[in-house]
Amino acid sequence: QQQVKQSPQSLIVQKGGISIINCAYENTAFDYFPWYQQFPGKGPALLIAIRPDVSEKKEGRFTISFNKSAKQFSLHIMDSQPGDSATYFCAASKHGGSEKLVFGKGTKLTVNP
Amino acid sequence: DVKVTQSSRYLVKRTGEKVFLECVQDMDHENMFWYRQDPGLGLRLIYFSYDVKMKEKGDIPEGYSVSREKKERFSLILESASTNQTSMYLCASSLVSGTYTFGSGTRLTVV
Repeated sequence: QQQVKQSPQSLIVQKGGISIINCAYENTAFDYFPWYQQFPGKGPALLIAIRPDVSEKKEGRFTISFNKSAKQFSLHIMDSQPGDSATYFCAASKHGGSEKLVFGKGTKLTVNP
Repeated sequence: DVKVTQSSRYLVKRTGEKVFLECVQDMDHENMFWYRQDPGLGLRLIYFSYDVKMKEKGDIPEGYSVSREKKERFSLILESASTNQTSMYLCASSLVSGTYTFGSGTRLTVV
């Protein structure tokens, strides 16, 4: 029940295309769903996050779509750029308490020029 | 900006050595975490701490211990390094659950 399943493990997209990464969770107590972006040689950094009271959150070219009934959420990267090439981790937790984040296993995104 | 500093970017240690990985955060965060990152396995939680002198085991604590004597510092200790502990080690801190700030990582090689 504590797992967050992330797919695909790797993704190759052409410049200008849409990158889509999917995550699914089991624990219905989760109420906070962040995405982290990690560039080579760096630690992960918070990219965007969503609470389940909304179905979508957009920040620039990055959008989280959330489907509470299906217990799924996804990251869409519009107009993907070579600079978006990184590893992306989805995660889930109970926000505001002492619950730790449960991470997906990551998706390595490569955007070809 | 919150800064999480890991003392070494690269370390090479011999099998059987006792290894200390240090992590310091500068924003008075209560929560601190140690992860290891391996290809295909993602981020695996080793230990975490919600307060000074407090520690809890994560998913893979075997072969590791931690110390948190001061709020800003969280140390990971490999009691007797083994080759299967060769990995990237990441420290993180948070004030509120979910908003983690990670350090840049320490790439440890045990030979």
